[in-house]
Amino acid sequence: GAVVSQHPSRVICKSGTSVKIECRSLDFQATTMFWYRQFPKQSLMLMATSNEGSKATYEQGVEKDKFLINHASLTLSTLTVTSAHPEDSSFYICSARIEWASNEKLFFGSGTQLSVL
Amino acid sequence: LAKTTQPISMDSYEGQEVNITCSHNNIATNDYITWYQQFPSQGPRFIIQGYKTKVTNEVASLFIPADRKSSTLSLPRVSLSDTAVYYCLVGDREDTGRRALTFGSGTRLQVQP
Repeated sequence: GAVVSQHPSRVICKSGTSVKIECRSLDFQATTMFWYRQFPKQSLMLMATSNEGSKATYEQGVEKDKFLINHASLTLSTLTVTSAHPEDSSFYICSARIEWASNEKLFFGSGTQLSVL
Repeated sequence: LAKTTQPISMDSYEGQEVNITCSHNNIATNDYITWYQQFPSQGPRFIIQGYKTKVTNEVASLFIPADRKSSTLSLPRVSLSDTAVYYCLVGDREDTGRRALTFGSGTRLQVQP
């Protein structure tokens, strides 16, 4: 099946620094990628939809200046958490979509555990 | 919006069959139903997908009644390694035509020895 690679898997940073997370589709092209965040024992919450060559679409309540998304190629999307604070500590997961007709399937990265001190 | 409702948790024993039902009353005509499995600190993994009736693969079966307002994921003879959270998703088409797949609460399956 399709593979989505997400790096880093774990990052610890100081408050106020920025962190970049990469999401790559290894064996297919993805015009659309999604970014989720997940708190312990909770479900995945969609943060934004990343479209290749255009601006990302953010969900209500997600600060676009805080969570910068870049989707410069058909195989790479990046999420940058700017000026991270402890409340940004979470598990971030990306996914890439393969769509045909009305059907679609998501392939997920392995996630990034962000800890902000 | 095609929201989904699942039991929060289920318990089972090794070797038993587990059936997890998901309600999706507002499913759209063209939407498919997809189930994912998630282990702690990992991204979700695709299990099975279907549109109607029954679908079976090497790990699970998916039963969808004619009205498609619900679906049941069936895991035959579960093992300890099946302990995970299981999510059902349906397509979520907004007025703008943009698709956005949203996750429900999921079902936390605990398999005991």
